[in-house]
Order: sequence, then structure tokens, then C-alpha cells
Amino acid sequence: AQTVTQSQPEMSVQEAETVTLSCTYDTSESDYYLFWYKQPPSRQMILVIRQEAYKQQNATENRFSVNFQKAAKSFSLKISDSQLGDAAMYFCAYRSPPSGGGADGLTFGKGTHLIIQP
Amino acid sequence: ETGVTQTPRHLVMGMTNKKSLKCEQHLGHNAMYWYKQSAKKPLELMFVYNFKEQTENNSVPSRFSPECPNSSHLFLHLHTLQPEDSALYLCASSQDWATEAFFGQGTRLTVV
Repeated sequence: AQTVTQSQPEMSVQEAETVTLSCTYDTSESDYYLFWYKQPPSRQMILVIRQEAYKQQNATENRFSVNFQKAAKSFSLKISDSQLGDAAMYFCAYRSPPSGGGADGLTFGKGTHLIIQP
Repeated sequence: ETGVTQTPRHLVMGMTNKKSLKCEQHLGHNAMYWYKQSAKKPLELMFVYNFKEQTENNSVPSRFSPECPNSSHLFLHLHTLQPEDSALYLCASSQDWATEAFFGQGTRLTVV
């Protein structure tokens, strides 16, 4: 079974600084997708960024970028120019190819609580 | 507006009650999911439906009973729950395995 590990229960960063959230995963698959989701106090899970395993290039979405190391099974999220609105729980998630027809669910890490210091 | 709507937002129920959680998606997706989010634990996948057919049940107790009458609606019927079932229940939908899942805002369930 796949597992996703986020080793940082909580991180704190000054506004406008850069912070990196770590994520490692365990899988025997070669083709899969990785995601970072953000969950603010409103409880809404919002997609931050997505990475396809067969793509060497790291995904980037404005101030958010990932460092995807497939061999090391590592998928960290870098947030540049941190803003107060970035404060939230951040979850790393993994999705493998479906075992049968259709989609299977995501496997999530425990999350990292990101605090932004003004 | 996220396209995935869950009702109610909050629910308090006794252990002998029967209640249902509702999820509706307006995104035209063909897969829907129920997740359980408890404090200090990763989100746990409970059920997966593809084209109205249940394709995954992650050893969920029978006191949780899902229903998917069509590809836009998903229910979670609850009966004789335990206090440890108190959690945030999240519904999500996706088009296929390669795309991201879109989540609702969840139902905060408290079993007393």
C-alpha cells in the first residue's frame, strides 16, 4: 500500500519569506500523480499544485513550486514571498493508476500546519 | 462556489439516531468520494463511486452506508454511530484518475 509522510507537523515563516514543506511517499508504481492541497480554517480543500510522475520538469504555479525527486520519492513544496493568506494546513497527496476501470482515491499525509508571522 | 456542495455543514446526533449526509457536484465529473478527517490523522478514504458504481470500500463499518443515485449526487447514511465517529466528513469528485479531486466544505459530525 502507498504511504505519504509529512514529517513537519508545523512550520512558521515570516511574511514575504520563503518556506519549504517536505513530503515523502512510498510506492512501487512508476506512473502516478502527486498533489499539494491547502486547507484553510474554512475547511475547504483547495488544490495548490499537481505533478505528473513521468514529467521530469518540476511543476510551478505562481509563488508555489515543487521539487520532485522521483528516485528519492520526495515531493517538497516551496512557497515564495509568503503571504498571510497562505496560512493553512497543507496536505501532500498521492494517486496511483486505477486498479480497474475508473478513478481511485487519494492517499494523504498527515498535513503541515503553516503559520505566517506578520 | 467550488462546484461540490455538502449539506449539512454541522450535525450533532445521538448514537441511536439515523441521519444522512448529502453531497452534490455540478462539475460533470464521473467519480465521487467520501473521506473522513479526524484530528491528528491523515484523511481516510471511505468510499469511491465511478459512474454510480461503488468501486472501493475501505473496510468501513456497516453503520456507514453510501448511496449514489446518479453521478451528481452522493449520500452517506448514518445509523447507530459511536462517539469515535465524530469527525469532518469530506466529499470530493473528479473526472478521472489523472485529474485533481475537487472537495466540498465538509460536514462536521459530532456523535453524542
